[in-house]
Amino acid sequence: EPEVTQTPSHQVTQMGQEVILRCVPISNHLYFYWYRQILGQKVEFLVSFYNNEISEKSEIFDDQFSVERPDGSNFTLKIRSTKLEDSAMYFCASSLRDTYEQYFGPGTRLTVT
Amino acid sequence: RKEVEQDPGPFNVPEGATVAFNCTYSNSASQSFFWYRQDCRKEPKLLMSVYSSGNEDGRFTAQLNRASQYISLLIRDSKLSDSATYLCVVNRDDKIIFGKGTRLHILP
Repeated sequence: EPEVTQTPSHQVTQMGQEVILRCVPISNHLYFYWYRQILGQKVEFLVSFYNNEISEKSEIFDDQFSVERPDGSNFTLKIRSTKLEDSAMYFCASSLRDTYEQYFGPGTRLTVT
Repeated sequence: RKEVEQDPGPFNVPEGATVAFNCTYSNSASQSFFWYRQDCRKEPKLLMSVYSSGNEDGRFTAQLNRASQYISLLIRDSKLSDSATYLCVVNRDDKIIFGKGTRLHILP
């Protein structure tokens, strides 16, 4: 069964450093998403991406964040200058259509020290 | 009012019992609705989509009432493996909103 994959599973970085989180969505899916979940809190929408551009983003997704689909398979989330409060689990998801079911990757745990 | 609200939980129920989860959403323009489950420190996994006509998948039944902006999930004959957090998810204009989730503990 096709699945969304994410790397790395755990990333530790120092405050102020840039990080890139990587995702490989399901191959025939067209819509891609990033979410975050701070420990003990709810899953929060960050951004959706379709046709090589951002289609929707939340208030959390400020200028420190960017997304890219550098080739036909990868979808990345970059945080330019990490803060302590960026420590969270980051999930990538993909779907065939914008209102269809989304399938989530296993997540990257980001720890900012 | 929060955009998606769920029962705070946790629910502690004996194995074999029937469990009902409730969810309300505030934006009437919401377009699609889902239930996900999330195990501790894992990713959300799709349980089922929710349709206006109601839908069933084995022991799971989901209902949607657009007039009341209310979604429900019923689990019959609960199993130990049903222990998880159940997340109500609403999609509007490609913006996806998760509820906080309701934690379910099935007791042997």
